[in-house]
Amino acid sequence: DAGVIQSPRHEVTEMGQEVTLRCKPISGHNSLFWYRQTMMRGLELLIYFNNNVPIDDSGMPEDRFSAKMPNASFSTLKIQPSEPRDSAVYFCASSTGLAGGSAKNIQYFGAGTRLSVL
Amino acid sequence: AQKITQTQPGMFVQEKEAVTLDCTYDTSDQSYGLFWYKQPSSGEMIFLIYQGSYDEQNATEGRYSLNFQKARKSANLVISASQLGDSAMYFCAMREGRSAGGYQKVTFGTGTKLQVIP
Repeated sequence: DAGVIQSPRHEVTEMGQEVTLRCKPISGHNSLFWYRQTMMRGLELLIYFNNNVPIDDSGMPEDRFSAKMPNASFSTLKIQPSEPRDSAVYFCASSTGLAGGSAKNIQYFGAGTRLSVL
Repeated sequence: AQKITQTQPGMFVQEKEAVTLDCTYDTSDQSYGLFWYKQPSSGEMIFLIYQGSYDEQNATEGRYSLNFQKARKSANLVISASQLGDSAMYFCAMREGRSAGGYQKVTFGTGTKLQVIP
């Protein structure tokens, strides 16, 4: 079975440029999460979608960050304009998000996108 | 207060020996879930094992077992017969709480870097 697919794996861009990260969740999963990982702050939840609807975006750093989930099989995380402090590994994860919030909703992660903003 | 505490930033273990990675958690919920993930140097986050707060038996998955001590709020990962491929960062995580929509946020610890010595 295909896991969570993220693209690109690596992105190098210059400050001020727009960056778009892409994610295809596991088929049948209806919850999708975007995380950011840095040495200083560890793994941080940026935004959570359930059934394509953003439920919790309290972790989105600022207005330069936006995320969409137009359908059940695709999500994007956009940074515009990008800044050097956005350099990090960005992970997408998905889970079944069972109704009632079963504690066993295991999040399966993609391979991540390593973003470098110069 | 930290919800997930991993006090060992780094550990060494001899190949074929067993190793225990510590994790303590803080929650007032009765229903919660505990997870361990492995992150090798290649960067992906790999789900290893899950323990529910109501599970009476300690979880096991192959060479991985979770030493769950509910009263002490600890969920240590035990890796038996260590292999060179076990060298990686290991993250403990907890899912707790439940919103009206069934949303349960997962909180990750800061990780333990395990190095297996030949």
